[in-house]
Amino acid sequence: AQSVSQHNHHVILSEAASLELGCNYSYGGTVNLFWYVQYPGQHLQLLLKYFSGDPLVKGIKGFEAEFIKSKFSFNLRKPSVQWSDTAEYFCAVTRYSGAGSYQLTFGKGTKLSVIP
Amino acid sequence: DSGVTQTPKHLITATGQRVTLRCSPRSGDLSVYWYQQSLDQGLQFLIQYYNGEERAKGNILERFSAQQFPDLHSELNLSSLELGDSALYFCASSVGTGARGLNTIYFGEGSWLTVV
Repeated sequence: AQSVSQHNHHVILSEAASLELGCNYSYGGTVNLFWYVQYPGQHLQLLLKYFSGDPLVKGIKGFEAEFIKSKFSFNLRKPSVQWSDTAEYFCAVTRYSGAGSYQLTFGKGTKLSVIP
Repeated sequence: DSGVTQTPKHLITATGQRVTLRCSPRSGDLSVYWYQQSLDQGLQFLIQYYNGEERAKGNILERFSAQQFPDLHSELNLSSLELGDSALYFCASSVGTGARGLNTIYFGEGSWLTVV
């Protein structure tokens, strides 16, 4: 069964520090990869997505992610975090669920706390 | 604002009771997805409907059911509620069936269910 693993449960950084959140998936076929962010008390918002092409994907709010097929990874990065980046981050992968449908499978999430 | 509307935002009910959560997808979206988010299980896919028909089933309990109506809104029915059903229930929508490369899934703000 396909799974999505996020290595860190909780990351604490100071403002201006660089961020890298790990995500690995287990799926042998073609994948679509996503990072969603959930700010406290809010819904999931799409940060960025990879479907094909350039494996370095740029998203909103200065985030980027790199798809490394050989490592089955899609790590999220930001060179300099801000206090407003405090949120929970979810990696997700599409998987084929039959009848022409694809659905997202989420990792368990990584909480990011940024200290001013 | 994602355009996906969920009601109610908060709900407190007793064990053994039944509740209905409602979702209106984004205008033009035909697919509706339900997810459950709890502290121990993370984000779990429950079920997907496309244009009124069930398309995919995830980790949905037999006590739970859903449907999508002709106007494309969806309802998630939770019955014989247990304490462990307390969670945040997200509805999401997309244009199509979530097929690779074509659809981004947008999430509503969620319905907080507390079972006491």
